Amino acid sequence: EVQLVESGGGLVQPGGSLRLSCAASGFTFSSYSMNWVRQAPGKGLEWVSYISSGSSTIYYADSVKGRFTISRDNAKNSLYLQMNSLRAEDTAVYYCARGYGGKAKNWFDPWGQGTLVTVSS
Amino acid sequence: EVVMTQSPATLSVSPGERATLSCRASQSVSSNLAWYQQKPGQAPRLLIYGASTRATGIPARFSGSGSGTEFTLTISSLQSEDFAVYYCQQYNNWPPYTFGQGTKLEIK
Repeated sequence: EVQLVESGGGLVQPGGSLRLSCAASGFTFSSYSMNWVRQAPGKGLEWVSYISSGSSTIYYADSVKGRFTISRDNAKNSLYLQMNSLRAEDTAVYYCARGYGGKAKNWFDPWGQGTLVTVSS
Repeated sequence: EVVMTQSPATLSVSPGERATLSCRASQSVSSNLAWYQQKPGQAPRLLIYGASTRATGIPARFSGSGSGTEFTLTISSLQSEDFAVYYCQQYNNWPPYTFGQGTKLEIK
């Protein structure tokens, strides 16, 4: 079964840092691009970051550029999101999602169950 | 950035009836559009990709159509488990990937 499991969320003060992890299983992790998508409470979906299968290509949403860093460890079947200089507006459930499709036209499937990040003093 | 606009924001439909959800892109995204279903407390689930191809395990009552800037998700006969929030997403012009704001499908 293809599965993604996020961890690492929690309560952090404004200006603080947090590292999210996403453990993948049931597929050849090293063959797929991966993404982080977030959802603020009661709001819609916002793409956060993309990393290619071999980590050679990385993109960020403007809202997190310069503060967040995406990375992956293909040997450990794991995806990460290092979040620094956190702001109240970063409060959200963070999902990891596999990019699927090919030729740079990828939809997201599957998604993990999400991990909640709350930025508050 | 491609802006995705979904309508209506909320759709009230009775079980057994048909539901039609719309998604519009601010510029052409060809057929590179996906639909997701999200139930309360759950992660989004892929329903449709390529504007009209059902994902694995998705019932035939879900169908997608459209290309360019206008897209439709149709649920032919609503079941109780279909009441949820639906999002469209374009993956043609990225980064960034962009989502619509969602349509909440509620029981009438």
